[in-house]
This record gives sequence, structure tokens and C-alpha cells, in this order.
Amino acid sequence: EVQLVETGGGLIQPGGSLRLSCAASGFTVSSNYMSWVRQAPGKGLEWVSVIYSGGSTYYADSVKGRFTISRDNSKNTLYLQMNSLRAEDTAVYYCARDHSGSYRHWGQGTLVTVSS
Amino acid sequence: DIQMTQSPSSLSASVGDRVTITCRASQSISSYLNWYQQKPGKAPKLLIYAASSLQSGVPSRFSGSGSGTDFTLTISSLQPEDFATYYCQQSYSTPPTFGQGTRLEIK
Repeated sequence: EVQLVETGGGLIQPGGSLRLSCAASGFTVSSNYMSWVRQAPGKGLEWVSVIYSGGSTYYADSVKGRFTISRDNSKNTLYLQMNSLRAEDTAVYYCARDHSGSYRHWGQGTLVTVSS
Repeated sequence: DIQMTQSPSSLSASVGDRVTITCRASQSISSYLNWYQQKPGKAPKLLIYAASSLQSGVPSRFSGSGSGTDFTLTISSLQPEDFATYYCQQSYSTPPTFGQGTRLEIK
């Protein structure tokens, strides 16, 4: 059974850093496209970043230069390193398994709150 | 970036009703269109991919159609568990973008 479990969210001050983790089971992260999608409180879905099976990475303009997506093949885990956090980064962050552009498997989400 | 616009933004309907939600892309996306259902406090769930293909395990009362710039999600006979927010998403180009959502409420 495919399962994705995100951890690492919390309350962080503006300008701070946080690393989110997404532990996968039932499939191999490195053989798949994996994405992060976020949802601000009461708002819609926003794509954040993707890492392809070959290692290429892409980012939304809103996070480019501040966020870094990566994976640890030995741990079958996806990461999102978030630096220079802003209030507008406050959201639930979901990791998702990307299948030809559609997101068939999602984690439960982890809440990141950026506030002083 | 490709803009996705859903209509209506909210909708009230009754159990047993037939409901249609529309999604329009700012440029042609062929059939690279997916639909999701999201309930409060839960992750989105994929319903339809490639505009009209039903994801495994999704009830057959859900269907999708369209190509190019105009797409529809139809629920043939609303069930109580269908009251949720629905999002379309284009996977034609990076960045993938979502519609703003359609909230389906009980009348």
C-alpha cells in the first residue's frame, strides 16, 4: 500500500528556516516524480516544487531561491528545505506522488505557520 | 503560467441532483486536465485524470469531459459524501496550476 507521511511543520518566525520530510512506503521515491503542493488557510491549492526521477528540480516563482527540494534514496524520503520564510508561506504542505502530471497519492499534510 | 478558472465558485444542490462544474484554461492544454475532491481537513483526492479517465476506485457517477480550453466535471446523482470542494488542475506545462475551487454545499 502506498503511503506518504509528512513531518517537520511548526511555528517559525519570519526569516527562519524549516525542513519538511515526506517518508514514503509502498513505492520507490527515486523512481518517481515527487511534488510539494501547499494550501494556505482557507485558500486553494498551489504547486510548490517537483523533483523528477532523473534528479531535475523545478520551483514555483514564489519560492525560487528560498526553497530546495531533495530526496534521500536510502531513506526513501522526500524533503523540502525552506529558508527565508515569509508570512505568505503559511500553509499546509502536502507531498504528492506525481503520475504523468496528476497527483494520485498524497500525504496527510503538515502545517507551517510563519509568524512572530 | 496557464490560468485555470472554475465556475461556479460555489454551488448548492440536493442529494440526487445532477451537477456540472466547469473549468476553463487560459490557453489550450489538450487533455492534460485533472480533477480533485477535497474534504475539510483532508488531502485532495484524484477523481479524474487526462480529462475523462476515471481514477481507480472512484464511483462511476463522476465523469469528466472536454479538451483544449473547456472542461467539465459531472456528478450524475449527488450522494451525501460528495459535498466537498472540487479543483481542476492542468498538467500541460510547468508550473502546474489549479483552479480556485468549487465548493459544493447541501441545499
